[in-house]
Amino acid sequence: DAEITQSPRHKITETGRQVTLACHQTWNHNNMFWYRQDLGHGLRLIHYSYGVHDTNKGEVSDGYSVSRSNTEDLPLTLESAASSQTSVYFCASSLTGNTDTQYFGPGTRLTVL
Amino acid sequence: QKEVEQNSGPLSVPEGAIASLNCTYSDRGSQSFFWYRQYSGKSPELIMFIYSNGDKEDGRFTAQLNKASQYVSLLIRDSQPSDSATYLCAVMLYNQGGKLIFGQGTELSVKP
Repeated sequence: DAEITQSPRHKITETGRQVTLACHQTWNHNNMFWYRQDLGHGLRLIHYSYGVHDTNKGEVSDGYSVSRSNTEDLPLTLESAASSQTSVYFCASSLTGNTDTQYFGPGTRLTVL
Repeated sequence: QKEVEQNSGPLSVPEGAIASLNCTYSDRGSQSFFWYRQYSGKSPELIMFIYSNGDKEDGRFTAQLNKASQYVSLLIRDSQPSDSATYLCAVMLYNQGGKLIFGQGTELSVKP
């Protein structure tokens, strides 16, 4: 069955370290998104991509980067992890267009000490 | 003003009652509207979406959209304890390439 997966599911790291969170989807969706979810803020968009080699900043992109080298993967990199980046991170994908539903991965809980 | 607003709750209803969840949005360019359910510690899962003014029914769930009032709601009939979760309203803006703007979510508790 087609699906969207994230790894790792849990990660503890130290301030200043580089961290990469993986997102892989097998639906052949063009669009992929990264969100973070924090109490009191809901889901906030970090970065998104509409296709291979396309990346765009969301509302909370500072300190994060993404690259899209193929259709299936959109890894999220925290260049120098900060305690403020402790959060739950969700990846999502959608086929294309303005009306297609986004489907979410299981999430990664990241703790920065 | 937040772009998508929901009452955070918690909203508590007895089993078998109708739960009414509300969402308002600020951008009149909003095109599509989604309701997601999120259980504690899990990822959001789509319940239903609505594009046109009026009601859309899917089983026990009914989405209602009023674009003039910039208001979208979700009704859950015959609420069950298994419906206890956080419900997220999301809005997709016209020509924004599928980006969603989420409300903070409303926590629903259905008491047996």
